[in-house]
Amino acid sequence: DAGVIQSPRHEVTEMGQEVTLRCKPISGHNSLFWYRQTMMRGLELLIYFNNNVPIDDSGMPEDRFSAKMPNASFSTLKIQPSEPRDSAVYFCASSFSNTIYFGEGSWLTVV
Amino acid sequence: AQKITQTQPGMFVQEKEAVTLDCTYDTSDPSYGLFWYKQPSSGEMIFLIYQGSYDQQNATEGRYSLNFQKARKSANLVISASQLGDSAMYFCAMRVEPGNTGKLIFGQGTTLQVKP
Repeated sequence: DAGVIQSPRHEVTEMGQEVTLRCKPISGHNSLFWYRQTMMRGLELLIYFNNNVPIDDSGMPEDRFSAKMPNASFSTLKIQPSEPRDSAVYFCASSFSNTIYFGEGSWLTVV
Repeated sequence: AQKITQTQPGMFVQEKEAVTLDCTYDTSDPSYGLFWYKQPSSGEMIFLIYQGSYDQQNATEGRYSLNFQKARKSANLVISASQLGDSAMYFCAMRVEPGNTGKLIFGQGTTLQVKP
């Protein structure tokens, strides 16, 4: 079975540019999480969805961040405009019941 | 408020010995799940083990076991017979599960180094 698939794996972009991170959850999973990991702040939950509906977006840093889940097999996290402080690893995870699996992460560098 | 605390920033263990990584949690919900993840230097998050709050027995998965002490609100990870490949960051996490809809929150992590 394919795991959680994230793209791109690595992205370097200039400050002010739009960044879109993509996630394909495991088929049959009904919850999807977006996390950000930095050395300073550790793993932060940005937003999570249940059955494609956003449940808690209190971790989204500011209006520059937005996330969508148009269907059960796809989600995006968008940063517009990007800033150097957004540089981090962004993880997507999907869940069904007691199982929660992570993608390999998208390593974002904003210069 | 829900919280996960890992008080050991770093741990060392000799190869082939057992090691315990500490995790305490705080929640007022009676239904919750506890997870441990391993993050090697390559960066991926690897699921290790799960314990439900109503599970009567401690969870085990191969060399991993979870020492679940509900009254103390602790969920320590025990790794037996440590291997060099166990060197990694380990995260404890909790999901409060009213109908399996809760968010997953993480502790700060513990870095484990296995010495040959």
